[in-house]
Amino acid sequence: DAGVIQSPRHEVTEMGQEVTLRCKPISGHDYLFWYRQTMMRGLELLIYFNNNVPIDDSGMPEDRFSAKMPNASFSTLKIQPSEPRDSAVYFCASTETGSSGYTFGSGTRLTVV
Amino acid sequence: GENVEQHPSTLSVQEGDSAVIKCTYSDSASNYFPWYKQELGKGPQLIIDIRSNVGEKKDQRIAVTLNKTAKHFSLHITETQPEDSAVYFCAASPINSGYSTLTFGKGTMLLVSP
Repeated sequence: DAGVIQSPRHEVTEMGQEVTLRCKPISGHDYLFWYRQTMMRGLELLIYFNNNVPIDDSGMPEDRFSAKMPNASFSTLKIQPSEPRDSAVYFCASTETGSSGYTFGSGTRLTVV
Repeated sequence: GENVEQHPSTLSVQEGDSAVIKCTYSDSASNYFPWYKQELGKGPQLIIDIRSNVGEKKDQRIAVTLNKTAKHFSLHITETQPEDSAVYFCAASPINSGYSTLTFGKGTMLLVSP
């Protein structure tokens, strides 16, 4: 298994632009999580899905952030419009019912200038 | 909700020494405590975990201890090697009949010098 796959690995964009981050979970995993990692706040849960349905989006910082999971093998996290304070590493992780451990992707390093 | 505190934020040791990282949690309902290792440019990777029905678990040079009364748990690495250098995260979750998400500590940067 290739693990959790995220793209792009790095993204540099200008303030005000739309940014879309992508994630492919491990096949068979029914939970998918989006985390944001910064030096100041550590790993923050933004949203998670179960069987493609958003369960808890209370961690999404504001309406500029949205996430979708149109099918079991793909999810997106969109920021529109982006701001410099959104600069962080964004991780996607997945797991399956009955398992406790998460498998993380390699992350997307987002820089908004 | 759950709050996890992790100390120290940075830890420098000499190769061959032991390293200990400590975490405290606030939610008495938490019963699952994993540890993740994050190497530079990679995502966190699960290295060991413990459930509340045991007080200690070992896997080669790595061990985790849990004190539910005091609400703290620790990661112990013996005979450290340079490849142990990474950021380590503790986490806690009240795993029950449903599903609960992990709350992570802020991380400890471990540097092992040759």
